[in-house]
Amino acid sequence: DTAVSQTPKYLVTQMGNDKSIKCEQNLGHDTMYWYKQDSKKFLKIMFSYNNKELIINETVPNRFSPKSPDKAHLNLHINSLELGDSAVYFCASTPEGGEAFFGQGTRLTVV
Amino acid sequence: TQLLEQSPQFLSIQEGENLTVYCNSSSVFSSLQWYRQEPGEGPVLLVTVVTGGEVKKLKRLTFQFGDARKDSSLHITAAQTGDTGLYLCAGESGGSQGNLIFGKGTKLSVKP
Repeated sequence: DTAVSQTPKYLVTQMGNDKSIKCEQNLGHDTMYWYKQDSKKFLKIMFSYNNKELIINETVPNRFSPKSPDKAHLNLHINSLELGDSAVYFCASTPEGGEAFFGQGTRLTVV
Repeated sequence: TQLLEQSPQFLSIQEGENLTVYCNSSSVFSSLQWYRQEPGEGPVLLVTVVTGGEVKKLKRLTFQFGDARKDSSLHITAAQTGDTGLYLCAGESGGSQGNLIFGKGTKLSVKP
């Protein structure tokens, strides 16, 4: 059983399109995150949700909108994609004060 | 904004050599975690250190948390080619909804 699964693994799309990345965790964790990892491998937090409530919203363009229908899911919707959005996006979940479990990542390429 | 400075950013060594990776901050963290990431995969936890001055060993890897809980180091003894990967430190800011903030990572390459 995959603990944190995100789909799709690869996403190639044209500038201006709208796309979504889905994330699900079956660990019963209360907190879920979205991270963006750039070409230099820097892992930067984008959003954090705790029990379906937004906790952290770092300086991210408002074209990015997270949605948490329940505490096991945290999806990321991106409007009007730009070339600079190309990166690997990781979903993660943590129990309170515990280690982060990461999904395998979604490699987004905007052309 | 809490920041974690990780150094060196890149490290290329021969098999059998020792190395140390550093993670420094001006902020205090309730815990500090070290992750290893392989290409095409998400980071995987190696260890969590919680107490100031704590030292944890994982086979050839030794992790240390600074007394003030602002810095940490990862020391690898007699590196092997299988140690190659991206090493990330992450600090937790504390509280019931603590943030997990990552350093920029150290890309380690161990050559045979």
